Amino acid sequence: QLVESGGGLVKPGESLRLSCAASGFIFSDYTINWVRQAPGRGLEWVASISSDSGYIYYADSVEGRFTISRDNPRNSLSLLMNSLRAEDTAVYYCARVVEGTTGVGDAFDIWGQGTMVTVSS
Amino acid sequence: EIVMTQSPATLSVSPGERATLSCGASQSVSRNLAWYQQKPGQSPRLLIYDASTRATGVPDRFSGSGSGTEFTLTISSLQSEDFAVYYCQQYHDWPRFGPGTKVDVK
Repeated sequence: QLVESGGGLVKPGESLRLSCAASGFIFSDYTINWVRQAPGRGLEWVASISSDSGYIYYADSVEGRFTISRDNPRNSLSLLMNSLRAEDTAVYYCARVVEGTTGVGDAFDIWGQGTMVTVSS
Repeated sequence: EIVMTQSPATLSVSPGERATLSCGASQSVSRNLAWYQQKPGQSPRLLIYDASTRATGVPDRFSGSGSGTEFTLTISSLQSEDFAVYYCQQYHDWPRFGPGTKVDVK
């Protein structure tokens, strides 16, 4: 399973670090992504990090402000969010990718319960 | 940028009936298409990937079809636990989700 933490209320321009703890599978074997969902809205992909951190990708909306990282020995994933904006307000999910698909991106078979980030003055 | 669409926005169905949900892509995504179910207050649950492969533990009343730009999720006989929002997602390019179809009780 995946368990997110670190969400909260912050002001525009501030920073926040989210964490995702993994258990029940070999964390170091899998690419993991962050996906967010604004209140009452649909799902938006945020970032992806490969199993060995060799490949990292971001959505245009967060490129240059967010940093994804992982610590395989600790089975954990992080998302450092800087220069937060009101439009970053959302529930943030970490999600494990389905193995063996052939697209540039991925489908996601295990999701955490999410952590809420609210950016408001 | 691949834009995903879903129709209808809301589908009203009686328990036991068949539900057919549609998903479109602005350009071909081959078969790189997934379907998710999301209930209020819960995280999404993967139902289908690679357009027609059921995820582990998903009942066989859920089936997916299509390729290229047009896809369908069919629920053969709707159960009470199936009332939810359904999202399609392409992963042919960077992941993008459709706006969702809400399946509610008729």
